[in-house]
Amino acid sequence: GAVVSQHPSWVICKSGTSVKIECRSLDFQATTMFWYRQFPKQSLMLMATSNEGSKATYEQGVEKDKFLINHASLTLSTLTVTSAHPEDSSFYICSASLPGYSYEQYFGPGTRLTVT
Amino acid sequence: TQLLEQSPQFLSIQEGENLTVYCNSSSVFSSLQWYRQEPGEGPVLLVTVVTGGEVKKLKRLTFQFGDARKDSSLHITAAQPGDTGLYLCAGARGSGYSTLTFGKGTMLLVSP
Repeated sequence: GAVVSQHPSWVICKSGTSVKIECRSLDFQATTMFWYRQFPKQSLMLMATSNEGSKATYEQGVEKDKFLINHASLTLSTLTVTSAHPEDSSFYICSASLPGYSYEQYFGPGTRLTVT
Repeated sequence: TQLLEQSPQFLSIQEGENLTVYCNSSSVFSSLQWYRQEPGEGPVLLVTVVTGGEVKKLKRLTFQFGDARKDSSLHITAAQPGDTGLYLCAGARGSGYSTLTFGKGTMLLVSP
């Protein structure tokens, strides 16, 4: 149980375009999902916390207009990188908490974004 | 400010050796998780500790939460090449849904 999927697993896009990444909890309902960014050989950096049916809470320094997060259902959250630039290239990972076990997070496999 | 300090940052050992990874903070956490991440994949939850002084074992891995809930350790006995990966500790503070504070990670390489 507690399986989280992400799609796509990797994507290459041109500078100036937008890219949508999906995060799904496959066998449980996730009230809260989290989006992280990870640079090579570094730890995870929390970008935002997404609650179903409400606006996401962004961490300091993360541009909410650039990284649009939508959590429309209890099993799906999306991250849209708008007007992507090469510096947005990174490994994006989502996670979800099990209801009742809010301190444990289960991570998706990640999405490798390369902006050319 | 780095709230969780992990050490060592990198560890290269031979198969069969023992090792310990440390995760330290000046802050108190309500719980602490250990994850392992392989290249190109998301972190996988290994264990959660919530009680000060708690010890949990997962096969050859032993996790301990400090009495004051400010630090934790991961000990691996007789390491195997399959243990290779990035080990991350992450602390949660507060109740309800809780964001995690991650350490910088320990990259473990176990050679045959």
